[in-house]
Amino acid sequence: SQQGEEDPQALSIQEGENATMNCSYKTSINNLQWYRQNSGRGLVHLILIRSNEREKHSGRLRVTLDTSKKSSSLLITASRAADTASYFCATSNDYKLSFGAGTTVTVRA
Amino acid sequence: EAGVAQSPRYKIIEKRQSVAFWCNPISGHATLYWYQQILGQGPKLLIQFQNNGVVDDSQLPKDRFSAERLKGVDSTLKIQPAKLEDSAVYLCASSLVGRDEQFFGPGTRLTVL
Repeated sequence: SQQGEEDPQALSIQEGENATMNCSYKTSINNLQWYRQNSGRGLVHLILIRSNEREKHSGRLRVTLDTSKKSSSLLITASRAADTASYFCATSNDYKLSFGAGTTVTVRA
Repeated sequence: EAGVAQSPRYKIIEKRQSVAFWCNPISGHATLYWYQQILGQGPKLLIQFQNNGVVDDSQLPKDRFSAERLKGVDSTLKIQPAKLEDSAVYLCASSLVGRDEQFFGPGTRLTVL
């Protein structure tokens, strides 16, 4: 069974705009990770936030984690066409990942 | 640094046939994972190895799926016999022991007709 659920399922934005997607999960976690998957390819690790952290930044990415609400959000600022991909949150316990169904992001030029 | 290698990239078979997928992890990565990703869903863990030992295979349908990592490096995942619902992308990932970040291969897209 899948632990995380992303919202929205799909998102279409104009280049330069920000994209925000959310992830909710059900059980306690060690950390939560976000991965990107371009069409027909494997997943690429974007960012990891530990259960005792509330916010983390990496380049144009900002991740928040609210363990009391069992939710996380990923913000991509100043989006580019190359950001078009599916984004997955994955909860981690004992080095095992449980993925949500993903958010498909389309960035229009 | 070379990434995780998988082959073949695509495979089409008839139901009830057998198929095998191969994965070579990043050098030095003792932990290896196989995931199944059905269209429109996130990856689901099938099996986790550390070196040549199985850590977790609780979600592996053992009546038809098997996996091995005999020398603690590359790994093979087999399906015998295949069913229509096995159509999916099979992803291999590896990581360093005790590290959370996983590195994924490009996957093998299996179509069962």
